[in-house]
Amino acid sequence: GENVEQHPSTLSVQEGDSAVIKCTYSDSASNYFPWYKQELGKRPQLIIDIRSNVGEKKDQRIAVTLNKTAKHFSLHITETQPEDSAVYFCANFGGSNYKLTFGKGTLLTVNP
Amino acid sequence: DTEVTQTPKHLVMGMTNKKSLKCEQHMGHRAMYWYKQKAKKPPELMFVYSYEKLSINESVPSRFSPECPNSSLLNLHLHALQPEDSALYLCASSQEGTGVGYGYTFGSGTRLTVV
Repeated sequence: GENVEQHPSTLSVQEGDSAVIKCTYSDSASNYFPWYKQELGKRPQLIIDIRSNVGEKKDQRIAVTLNKTAKHFSLHITETQPEDSAVYFCANFGGSNYKLTFGKGTLLTVNP
Repeated sequence: DTEVTQTPKHLVMGMTNKKSLKCEQHMGHRAMYWYKQKAKKPPELMFVYSYEKLSINESVPSRFSPECPNSSLLNLHLHALQPEDSALYLCASSQEGTGVGYGYTFGSGTRLTVV
Protein backbone atom coordinates (compact mmCIF):
# COMPACT_ATOMS: atom_id res chain seq x y z
CA GLY A 1 0.00 0.00 0.00
CA GLU A 2 1.09 3.57 -0.54
CA ASN A 3 -0.02 6.93 0.86
CA VAL A 4 -2.40 6.60 3.75
CA GLU A 5 -4.01 9.76 5.12
CA GLN A 6 -5.41 9.68 8.64
CA HIS A 7 -7.72 12.13 10.38
CA PRO A 8 -7.99 13.65 12.87
CA SER A 9 -4.47 13.96 14.27
CA THR A 10 -5.87 14.51 17.76
CA LEU A 11 -9.22 13.56 19.24
CA SER A 12 -10.53 14.30 22.70
CA VAL A 13 -13.76 12.71 23.94
CA GLN A 14 -15.60 12.27 27.21
CA GLU A 15 -15.72 8.84 28.78
CA GLY A 16 -18.66 6.91 27.38
CA ASP A 17 -18.74 8.80 24.08
CA SER A 18 -17.85 7.27 20.73
CA ALA A 19 -14.68 7.99 18.79
CA VAL A 20 -14.22 7.71 15.04
CA ILE A 21 -10.92 7.84 13.16
CA LYS A 22 -10.83 7.85 9.37
CA CYS A 23 -8.21 6.86 6.83
CA THR A 24 -8.02 7.10 3.06
CA TYR A 25 -5.61 5.29 0.79
CA SER A 26 -4.51 5.50 -2.81
CA ASP A 27 -3.37 2.01 -3.82
CA SER A 28 -6.39 0.14 -5.15
CA ALA A 29 -4.43 -3.13 -4.86
CA SER A 30 -4.39 -2.84 -1.06
CA ASN A 31 -6.07 -5.88 0.44
CA TYR A 32 -5.52 -5.74 4.19
CA PHE A 33 -6.29 -2.91 6.61
CA PRO A 34 -5.11 -3.22 10.22
CA TRP A 35 -5.47 -0.76 13.08
CA TYR A 36 -2.82 -0.45 15.78
CA LYS A 37 -2.96 1.05 19.25
CA GLN A 38 0.28 2.33 20.70
CA GLU A 39 0.59 3.40 24.29
CA LEU A 40 3.48 5.60 25.34
CA GLY A 41 6.78 3.72 25.22
CA LYS A 42 5.20 0.49 24.01
CA ARG A 43 4.96 -1.42 20.75
CA PRO A 44 2.10 -0.96 18.29
CA GLN A 45 -0.54 -3.54 19.12
CA LEU A 46 -2.99 -4.84 16.55
CA ILE A 47 -6.52 -4.18 17.79
CA ILE A 48 -8.60 -5.04 14.75
CA ASP A 49 -8.12 -5.68 11.06
CA ILE A 50 -10.23 -6.12 7.97
CA ARG A 51 -9.61 -7.76 4.63
CA SER A 52 -10.68 -6.38 1.30
CA ASN A 53 -13.54 -8.84 0.79
CA VAL A 54 -15.33 -7.65 3.93
CA GLY A 55 -17.15 -4.36 4.50
CA GLU A 56 -17.37 -4.31 8.29
CA LYS A 57 -15.95 -6.14 11.26
CA LYS A 58 -16.76 -5.76 14.94
CA ASP A 59 -15.03 -6.89 18.11
CA GLN A 60 -16.84 -5.81 21.29
CA ARG A 61 -16.51 -2.00 21.49
CA ILE A 62 -14.34 -1.72 18.40
CA ALA A 63 -15.47 -1.84 14.79
CA VAL A 64 -13.85 -1.16 11.44
CA THR A 65 -15.62 -0.33 8.19
CA LEU A 66 -14.12 -0.47 4.71
CA ASN A 67 -15.35 1.23 1.54
CA LYS A 68 -13.17 -0.07 -1.28
CA THR A 69 -14.87 2.04 -3.92
CA ALA A 70 -14.14 5.25 -2.06
CA LYS A 71 -10.81 3.88 -0.73
CA HIS A 72 -11.43 4.72 2.86
CA PHE A 73 -11.72 2.81 6.12
CA SER A 74 -12.65 3.88 9.61
CA LEU A 75 -12.18 2.82 13.22
CA HIS A 76 -15.14 3.17 15.57
CA ILE A 77 -14.75 2.90 19.33
CA THR A 78 -17.96 2.97 21.38
CA GLU A 79 -18.38 3.55 25.13
CA THR A 80 -14.84 4.91 25.37
CA GLN A 81 -12.87 4.42 28.57
CA PRO A 82 -9.79 6.28 29.88
CA GLU A 83 -7.65 3.22 29.10
CA ASP A 84 -8.51 3.69 25.42
CA SER A 85 -6.29 6.78 25.49
CA ALA A 86 -3.36 6.13 23.14
CA VAL A 87 -2.09 6.83 19.64
CA TYR A 88 -3.98 4.90 16.98
CA PHE A 89 -2.46 4.12 13.59
CA CYS A 90 -4.28 2.88 10.54
CA ALA A 91 -2.32 0.98 7.92
CA ASN A 92 -2.77 -0.83 4.68
CA PHE A 93 -0.93 -3.69 3.07
CA GLY A 94 -0.75 -5.21 -0.35
CA GLY A 95 -0.11 -4.13 -3.85
CA SER A 96 3.12 -4.95 -5.59
CA ASN A 97 5.31 -5.35 -2.50
CA TYR A 98 5.19 -6.48 1.08
CA LYS A 99 4.92 -3.08 2.67
CA LEU A 100 2.70 -2.04 5.54
CA THR A 101 2.05 1.67 5.09
CA PHE A 102 0.99 3.64 8.15
CA GLY A 103 -1.10 6.73 8.60
CA LYS A 104 0.40 9.53 10.69
CA GLY A 105 -1.54 8.52 13.78
CA THR A 106 -4.33 9.90 15.94
CA LEU A 107 -3.78 10.81 19.58
CA LEU A 108 -6.98 9.83 21.34
CA THR A 109 -7.61 11.22 24.81
CA VAL A 110 -10.59 9.95 26.79
CA ASN A 111 -11.42 12.29 29.65
CA PRO A 112 -12.96 10.75 32.78
CA ASP B 1 4.64 -18.95 20.67
CA THR B 2 3.00 -15.84 19.23
CA GLU B 3 5.72 -13.38 20.13
CA VAL B 4 8.42 -11.44 18.37
CA THR B 5 11.31 -11.05 20.81
CA GLN B 6 13.78 -8.20 20.54
CA THR B 7 17.01 -7.70 22.44
CA PRO B 8 18.28 -5.57 23.99
CA LYS B 9 15.34 -3.48 25.20
CA HIS B 10 17.54 -0.44 25.68
CA LEU B 11 20.90 0.44 24.13
CA VAL B 12 23.15 3.44 24.54
CA MET B 13 26.06 3.61 22.14
CA GLY B 14 28.73 6.06 21.11
CA MET B 15 29.15 7.24 17.56
CA THR B 16 32.23 5.06 17.08
CA ASN B 17 30.72 1.90 18.54
CA LYS B 18 29.55 -1.22 16.72
CA LYS B 19 26.46 -2.91 18.12
CA SER B 20 23.75 -5.28 16.95
CA LEU B 21 20.03 -5.50 17.53
CA LYS B 22 18.46 -8.94 17.53
CA CYS B 23 15.00 -10.18 16.68
CA GLU B 24 13.56 -13.68 16.94
CA GLN B 25 10.21 -15.30 16.12
CA HIS B 26 9.03 -18.89 16.16
CA MET B 27 5.67 -18.50 14.46
CA GLY B 28 6.88 -19.84 11.12
CA HIS B 29 6.59 -16.40 9.57
CA ARG B 30 8.66 -16.02 6.43
CA ALA B 31 8.68 -12.24 6.18
CA MET B 32 10.56 -10.12 8.71
CA TYR B 33 10.91 -6.37 8.93
CA TRP B 34 12.89 -3.60 10.58
CA TYR B 35 11.16 -0.32 11.37
CA LYS B 36 12.44 2.89 12.92
CA GLN B 37 10.07 5.00 14.99
CA LYS B 38 10.72 8.52 16.22
CA ALA B 39 8.61 10.06 18.95
CA LYS B 40 5.05 10.96 17.92
CA LYS B 41 5.58 9.53 14.41
CA PRO B 42 4.42 6.33 12.73
CA PRO B 43 6.84 3.44 12.27
CA GLU B 44 9.03 3.96 9.21
CA LEU B 45 9.99 0.90 7.19
CA MET B 46 13.72 0.24 6.82
CA PHE B 47 14.15 -3.31 5.49
CA VAL B 48 12.04 -6.30 4.46
CA TYR B 49 13.28 -9.88 4.33
CA SER B 50 11.17 -12.39 2.47
CA TYR B 51 12.17 -16.04 2.71
CA GLU B 52 15.47 -14.94 4.25
CA LYS B 53 16.36 -12.72 1.31
CA LEU B 54 16.44 -8.95 1.40
CA SER B 55 13.52 -7.80 -0.71
CA ILE B 56 13.19 -4.14 0.25
CA ASN B 57 15.77 -1.59 1.39
CA GLU B 58 14.10 1.78 1.83
CA SER B 59 17.27 3.71 0.96
CA VAL B 60 18.64 3.22 4.44
CA PRO B 61 22.19 4.55 5.10
CA SER B 62 24.90 1.89 5.03
CA ARG B 63 25.66 2.45 8.73
CA PHE B 64 22.63 0.17 9.22
CA SER B 65 23.30 -3.37 7.98
CA PRO B 66 20.59 -6.05 8.21
CA GLU B 67 21.21 -9.77 8.35
CA CYS B 68 18.85 -12.73 8.30
CA PRO B 69 20.82 -15.84 9.41
CA ASN B 70 17.75 -18.09 9.24
CA SER B 71 13.98 -17.95 9.02
CA SER B 72 13.61 -17.21 12.76
CA LEU B 73 16.29 -14.60 13.27
CA LEU B 74 16.83 -11.06 12.09
CA ASN B 75 19.72 -8.83 13.08
CA LEU B 76 20.46 -5.16 12.55
CA HIS B 77 24.13 -4.27 12.75
CA LEU B 78 24.91 -0.70 13.71
CA HIS B 79 28.14 1.17 13.04
CA ALA B 80 29.15 4.83 13.15
CA LEU B 81 25.65 6.02 13.99
CA GLN B 82 24.66 9.64 14.45
CA PRO B 83 22.67 11.17 17.33
CA GLU B 84 19.70 11.60 14.96
CA ASP B 85 19.55 7.81 14.65
CA SER B 86 18.28 7.65 18.21
CA ALA B 87 14.83 6.09 18.03
CA LEU B 88 12.73 3.05 18.84
CA TYR B 89 13.70 0.22 16.49
CA LEU B 90 10.91 -2.25 15.91
CA CYS B 91 11.13 -5.69 14.42
CA ALA B 92 8.04 -7.31 12.93
CA SER B 93 7.12 -10.51 11.17
CA SER B 94 4.23 -11.71 9.06
CA GLN B 95 2.97 -14.76 7.23
CA GLU B 96 4.12 -15.06 3.67
CA GLY B 97 3.02 -16.55 0.40
CA THR B 98 -0.24 -14.75 -0.13
CA GLY B 99 1.27 -11.30 0.16
CA VAL B 100 -1.53 -10.21 2.45
CA GLY B 101 0.49 -9.69 5.59
CA TYR B 102 -1.71 -11.74 7.87
CA GLY B 103 -0.50 -12.13 11.40
CA TYR B 104 1.70 -9.04 11.26
CA THR B 105 3.27 -8.86 14.73
CA PHE B 106 5.60 -6.29 16.24
CA GLY B 107 8.29 -6.90 18.81
CA SER B 108 8.59 -4.67 21.89
CA GLY B 109 11.37 -2.71 20.28
CA THR B 110 14.86 -1.56 21.20
CA ARG B 111 15.12 1.99 22.50
CA LEU B 112 18.41 3.21 20.98
CA THR B 113 20.24 6.30 22.16
CA VAL B 114 23.34 7.46 20.27
CA VAL B 115 25.61 9.75 22.25
